[in-house]
Amino acid sequence: DQQVKQNSPSLSVQEGRISILNCDYTNSMFDYFLWYKKYPAEGPTFLISISSIKDKNEDGRFTVFLNKSAKHLSLHIVPSQPGDSAVYFCAASKGGTGANNLFFGTGTRLTVIP
Amino acid sequence: EAEVAQSPRYKITEKSQAVAFWCDPISGHATLYWYRQILGQGPELLVQFQDESVVDDSQLPKDRFSAERLKGVDSTLKIQPAELGDSAMYLCASSFSQGVSSETQYFGPGTRLLVL
Repeated sequence: DQQVKQNSPSLSVQEGRISILNCDYTNSMFDYFLWYKKYPAEGPTFLISISSIKDKNEDGRFTVFLNKSAKHLSLHIVPSQPGDSAVYFCAASKGGTGANNLFFGTGTRLTVIP
Repeated sequence: EAEVAQSPRYKITEKSQAVAFWCDPISGHATLYWYRQILGQGPELLVQFQDESVVDDSQLPKDRFSAERLKGVDSTLKIQPAELGDSAMYLCASSFSQGVSSETQYFGPGTRLLVL
């Protein structure tokens, strides 16, 4: 059962415009959320994260929004650049002691058109 | 900048053969993870180590997969015998500690396995 879902497999955006990538989750125990960026033949690279006690976290061109009541988060990239073209994975982890493995979505391929 | 190292980057093998992957985490990171990513899907955890101890291997197919981290530093993941369905990207990640959900995991470049 997929606990983290990215329902848009792909997204195309013009350079300079905003890219919005969406993610939904089902497990209310998740309390930390991350976005990873992945280029072909490379491992995922950490991009930005947010704790469940916040509803927004910003880092330069990247902002993540969390709506806990809707179990939804989104990643905004403004302005989008051609170098942002990659697959973006949403991931979530649970609190508490013990194993804290990440649950990943299936990814959204972002293409930024020059 | 410190990175997670993995080798080999690519491996082609025939089914029923044995394969092994190696991972060296970021120095000082106590927690090490092995994930498998099948094409078109997100990574899924196979095994997690805290130092040399296994914390979670519930998703590891133990009839053919094994993992070890003998000295609590680098780690080896082995498949014997390999099956066609094992073709995937095998990713290693590390984090400073475990048990805290806000610990960021840093990934290596992965090993792409193709079983023929």
